[in-house]
Amino acid sequence: SYELTQPPSVSVSPGQTARITCSGDALPKKYAYWYQQKSGQAPVLVIYEDSKRPSGIPERFSGSSSGTMATLTISGAQVEDEADYYCYSTDSSGNLGVFGGGTKLTVL
Amino acid sequence: QVTLKESGPALVKPTQTLTLTCTFSGFSLSTSGMRASWIRQPPGKALEWLARIDWDDDKFYSTSLKTRLTISKDTSKNQVVLTMTNMDPVDTATYYCKIDGYNGWGHYMDVWGKGTTVTVSS
Repeated sequence: SYELTQPPSVSVSPGQTARITCSGDALPKKYAYWYQQKSGQAPVLVIYEDSKRPSGIPERFSGSSSGTMATLTISGAQVEDEADYYCYSTDSSGNLGVFGGGTKLTVL
Repeated sequence: QVTLKESGPALVKPTQTLTLTCTFSGFSLSTSGMRASWIRQPPGKALEWLARIDWDDDKFYSTSLKTRLTISKDTSKNQVVLTMTNMDPVDTATYYCKIDGYNGWGHYMDVWGKGTTVTVSS
């Protein structure tokens, strides 16, 4: 079955840039979506269709995709950005969803 | 304002069938392009996509669970229902309902319920 691969953890100091990657064979043809999940809460969409930011999401969150890799970038990470981040996409048919294994972002 | 709420039993026994209901408001699943999905998350683990139903009643299932899952919608009641047969302790998880898609005004929506916790134990 189709898989998306993320690093288990990323750590940065406050104010630094955090980059979280997501690799998958279908990403050249399918959009990537990024979710932030804080402890005990439902996930929140922070990037959709590779690089679009929903209203209410701070400008420091941005997304890009090139080839088989999508990247979530948090420019000037804040302590409140500490969370698990999941990429999401679909298989090549566009019909079967898949989440990456999640990346724990530590900002300290 | 779009809201979703999952409901169902907190505890089920092994081999039983789980039925979860997602009741929503603030949008119509009849709108072209709108979709509803179920996702679960075992304690301390990653999100897992389970199933999706589209505005036109197309249905899609996780490859590994497709034999156990059924998703349906009742547009008149603003509900989406997921059934999972032959429950096992490994199915213990928080189950989320999510809607996404472009609404009638061209605005992309992605809204999750708070989730409902299901424990499978005898």
